[in-house]
Amino acid sequence: AQKVTQAQTEISVVEKEDVTLDCVYETRDTTYYLFWYKQPPSGELVFLIRRNSFDEQNEISGRYSWNFQKSTSSFNFTITASQVVDSAVYFCALSGYNTNAGKSTFGDGTTLTVKP
Amino acid sequence: GAGVSQSPSNKVTEKGKDVELRCDPISGHTALYWYRQSLGQGLEFLIYFQGNSAPDKSGLPSDRFSAERTGGSVSTLTIQRTQQEDSAVYLCASSQGSGRVWADTQYFGPGTRLTVL
Repeated sequence: AQKVTQAQTEISVVEKEDVTLDCVYETRDTTYYLFWYKQPPSGELVFLIRRNSFDEQNEISGRYSWNFQKSTSSFNFTITASQVVDSAVYFCALSGYNTNAGKSTFGDGTTLTVKP
Repeated sequence: GAGVSQSPSNKVTEKGKDVELRCDPISGHTALYWYRQSLGQGLEFLIYFQGNSAPDKSGLPSDRFSAERTGGSVSTLTIQRTQQEDSAVYLCASSQGSGRVWADTQYFGPGTRLTVL
């Protein structure tokens, strides 16, 4: 079975603060992919990043960075110098090679509110 | 098309009626997925298609739910005898489905908001 836990239901920060969204996962697969999606108030999920289980290198894209640690089964997402436009619901997802290929498991999401 | 499209964007129906929700995937994407998102909840997997066949129907909540895909493109999710608990946003996604579907990035449509009165 697969499970994704996003323990932070809601986070509120003031613009320009850094914020980290936590994602912890469980899977029996040794080969899997992890994803982050953003769902702005408009409602459409937008893909942010994909990372496979063999690549533990951290990744930085502009103000976004991701920290993947297999030892703690975590794939955390940090926004540096947050902006109001970052306000959205963020979902972490897992797709395992052996576990019902095609059936991604999503966390319940973290609602981020960035105040001006 | 450029992205995944879904219709209608909003659907209000009375309890007991049947509804059909439509999804047009990105051109060339062979894999298609349906999810349900209830208010304030995460995404609940419903069904996935590879081409016209559905290898995994395990997420369909009851036999009132069915889905089909024709021509490897458009998919229809049908809910029969709707109940109030069916009220949710139904999201469709597609991916390249090039044999490693588990590794695919899924691209989502805007969703259909279903309200059952």
